[in-house]
Amino acid sequence: DVVMTQSPLSLAVTLGQPASISCRSSQSLVYSGGNIILHWFQQRPGQSPRRLIFNLSYRASGVPDRFSGSGSDTDFTLKISRVEAEDVGLYYCMQGAHWPWTFGQGTKVEIK
Amino acid sequence: EVQLVESGGGLVQPGGSLKLSCAASGFTFSSYEMSWVRQAPGKDLEWISFITNSGGSKYHADSVKGRFTISRDNAKNSVYLQMNSLRADDTAVYYCASGHFEYWGQGTLVTVSS
Repeated sequence: DVVMTQSPLSLAVTLGQPASISCRSSQSLVYSGGNIILHWFQQRPGQSPRRLIFNLSYRASGVPDRFSGSGSDTDFTLKISRVEAEDVGLYYCMQGAHWPWTFGQGTKVEIK
Repeated sequence: EVQLVESGGGLVQPGGSLKLSCAASGFTFSSYEMSWVRQAPGKDLEWISFITNSGGSKYHADSVKGRFTISRDNAKNSVYLQMNSLRADDTAVYYCASGHFEYWGQGTLVTVSS
């Protein structure tokens, strides 16, 4: 199975400051056609997960533009340009290029 | 408004069975692949099952293969998860989601305990 490794596992950020979460896969996530099937999800406390970024860098509908995804092959990053209070929660990367689909361990984002 | 509403969770004894349902509305269900994802208490997300829009292809995680079966009824706008031979480590909130995770339900709690 493809192992997804996130770092850090916990992140305390000052409001208005940037934040960055890394995700690494044990295999390339380049799918047929050259797409990279790597998604990012946000799970606020007590809520269901919500898709933020799909296929490496495409923002999902309604997601603020302070969220961005980047990377290549096996190394990926989710960036929040200016953290707001509503960004508190867990963030997960997930690969959809190989069966079984697998999630990272999650990164907890808190406000400092 | 898009909605996915799971039902069927509850308390079940080890070795028992349960069938989860997920009713969809607000989008063209028959055009969407669907997945089930679970989250054990205080733990991370785990993808467990996927079904194509026609129901012709299905995939399951190794942790549930041979015990859980995903199915769907496009006429009823519903996707199901039949869970057999349940174990304590199947205790989790089970979410249904559209195939590429655009939409998520609120989850239903399954507790496996004697």
